[in-house]
Amino acid sequence: DTEVTQTPKHLVMGMTNKKSLKCEQHMGHRAMYWYKQKAKKPPELMFVYSYEKLSINESVPSRFSPECPNSSLLNLHLHALQPEDSALYLCASSHWTSGTQETQYFGPGTRLLVL
Amino acid sequence: GENVEQHPSTLSVQEGDSAVIKCTYSDSASNYFPWYKQELGKGPQLIIDIRSNVGEKKDQRIAVTLNKTAKHFSLHITETQPEDSAVYFCAASFHNTDKLIFGTGTRLQVFP
Repeated sequence: DTEVTQTPKHLVMGMTNKKSLKCEQHMGHRAMYWYKQKAKKPPELMFVYSYEKLSINESVPSRFSPECPNSSLLNLHLHALQPEDSALYLCASSHWTSGTQETQYFGPGTRLLVL
Repeated sequence: GENVEQHPSTLSVQEGDSAVIKCTYSDSASNYFPWYKQELGKGPQLIIDIRSNVGEKKDQRIAVTLNKTAKHFSLHITETQPEDSAVYFCAASFHNTDKLIFGTGTRLQVFP
């Protein structure tokens, strides 16, 4: 089973709202990733967690706050977003081996619209 | 900085023909090269990957070739079918990090 699940599938929020995106995997992967994808563009890495610790933050604005409560779950907390933050937010997971990039498996994404 | 160039940006083929997508990477330390297929409204799906200790890998109608000297890798799809229509992304690992650098994508259309 190589399934990564994400909820919700769609989200509409105002610029003053607080919302959260959720991601879950049960493949025993110890690395989890958040990507942002704009239309007709490749995914852009936002954050990487390995063994529940934040290992990469690609200079993402603080209005995006990641959280990894356990090895199966990854959250992205959203607050005071801007309309330009509207995008498809993708979660991915992989095994983690030091010095080796393991295969990343993506979820279906959450399509976010900020009004 | 790290960069992966991907060509062509769009590709139209007749059903049954072959399709080739090419990528060039800049980081000589890259050692892992996956290819993803993304259908409309879905997340990227891994279709094949190759590591730098191998020059070619094949899985049924799909093959990937890697030329480390030239820093090129290519995706080959034979006997294309309409369901192969999608956007394809190549990617390369970056140094020894957990980071993948993605190409800009190729929109493949297979006409019946």
